[in-house]
Amino acid sequence: GESVGLHLPTLSVQEGDNSIINCAYSNSASDYFIWYKQESGKGPQFIIDIRSNMDKRQGQRVTVLLNKTVKHLSLQIAATQPGDSAVYFCAEGSGGKLIFGQGTELSVKP
Amino acid sequence: DSGVTQTPKHLITATGQRVTLRCSPRSGDLSVYWYQQSLDQGLQFLIQYYNGEERAKGNILERFSAQQFPDLHSELNLSSLELGDSALYFCASSVSADRGNQPQHFGDGTRLSIL
Repeated sequence: GESVGLHLPTLSVQEGDNSIINCAYSNSASDYFIWYKQESGKGPQFIIDIRSNMDKRQGQRVTVLLNKTVKHLSLQIAATQPGDSAVYFCAEGSGGKLIFGQGTELSVKP
Repeated sequence: DSGVTQTPKHLITATGQRVTLRCSPRSGDLSVYWYQQSLDQGLQFLIQYYNGEERAKGNILERFSAQQFPDLHSELNLSSLELGDSALYFCASSVSADRGNQPQHFGDGTRLSIL
């Protein structure tokens, strides 16, 4: 069945370094992917999305890469800051609903 | 601030009871989605409404129901509550259900605790 999974449950990085959060998906027909950031006590916050006709999309300090050949998605955060500490979810858009992965907790060390 | 408003923020009740969670979507958004987040299941899609009509259904129990009103706010009704229903319930909204996949914007959720 459909599933979206993350390779690493936790990631610890030094402030100022770049972070890379990975995600694998299983449905090769998926055409929409999205990243969310969830801080404690808050709802998921939209970061960036990408459609399957693109390989890369950049936002402010964030880049999403999509590799359809291996069904892999990644989120790169440049110059990671303490405020980036949160749980990051990838999700696959399927018929209007989102199928979420389990999440990766990003911890930024000062 | 996503613009999606959920009330109440916290709800504590007992098994067997019934509760109603409320959601106001972002201004201009016609689609409303409900999700459940629990420690063992992660974020699970429950149901979607678009302009007052049910559009998609996910892993929603028969004890749960939802509706979207003419002013586009939505309510999620949970009845015959069980201990396992304790979770965070999120509402999200998007502009349209007819333009394919698009970003959904989430509220800060209602934390439901069943005693």
